[in-house]
Amino acid sequence: DAKTTQPNSMESNEEEPVHLPCNHSTISGTDYIHWYRQLPSQGPEYVIHGLTSNVNNRMASLAIAEDRKSSTLILHRATLRDAAVYYCILRDSNTGGFKTIFGAGTRLFVKA
Amino acid sequence: GAGVSQSPRYKVAKRGQDVALRCDPISGHVSLFWYQQALGQGPEFLTYFQNEAQLDKSGLPSDRFFAERPEGSVSTLKIQRTQQEDSAVYLCASSSRASIGVASTDTQYFGPGTRLTVL
Repeated sequence: DAKTTQPNSMESNEEEPVHLPCNHSTISGTDYIHWYRQLPSQGPEYVIHGLTSNVNNRMASLAIAEDRKSSTLILHRATLRDAAVYYCILRDSNTGGFKTIFGAGTRLFVKA
Repeated sequence: GAGVSQSPRYKVAKRGQDVALRCDPISGHVSLFWYQQALGQGPEFLTYFQNEAQLDKSGLPSDRFFAERPEGSVSTLKIQRTQQEDSAVYLCASSSRASIGVASTDTQYFGPGTRLTVL
């Protein structure tokens, strides 16, 4: 399975944009890029996903590099409630994709 | 509507005891997943059900781990003869469609997890 690489941690100031990077150099053409986040003492929650084009939703934006070997999750205005571990995941639609592989993720710290 | 629920939220077991962890997925969800999350790590896949069929159990760490979903709704993860290394948070997730083809991209909805501590 293709794997992802993320920084262990990042820090942001409240109300500033945050760009969380993810490298996935071995991504295949059928892999979707998903982002989940896990707040303290909770299960992960879905943030956004995409295949090739950039995606926007109410929570965040996902910018996907043209070669698809990297992506960036963008939180437009970080709040204290955004402090969480963010996971970048590849899910293969060709082979079933149910065996979701999480990495260690990026722990985001938000300063007031 | 109601999300995924898990019970108990916390479980303390003595080494060697058997435990059973319950997952109530979102009503009507076809797919159900179990994950194990050690402290400071990301969740690790254990097993996957499509309705009542267990299609993948490759992530179960040993034959002491057993999962079932007999009627295609509620699922139970059972751990026999618990060991200290079994201490972790056990997460359950469900999604609305079978995880095949493009449907594999469906959002997974996670429960809060059961924190198991084996003494």
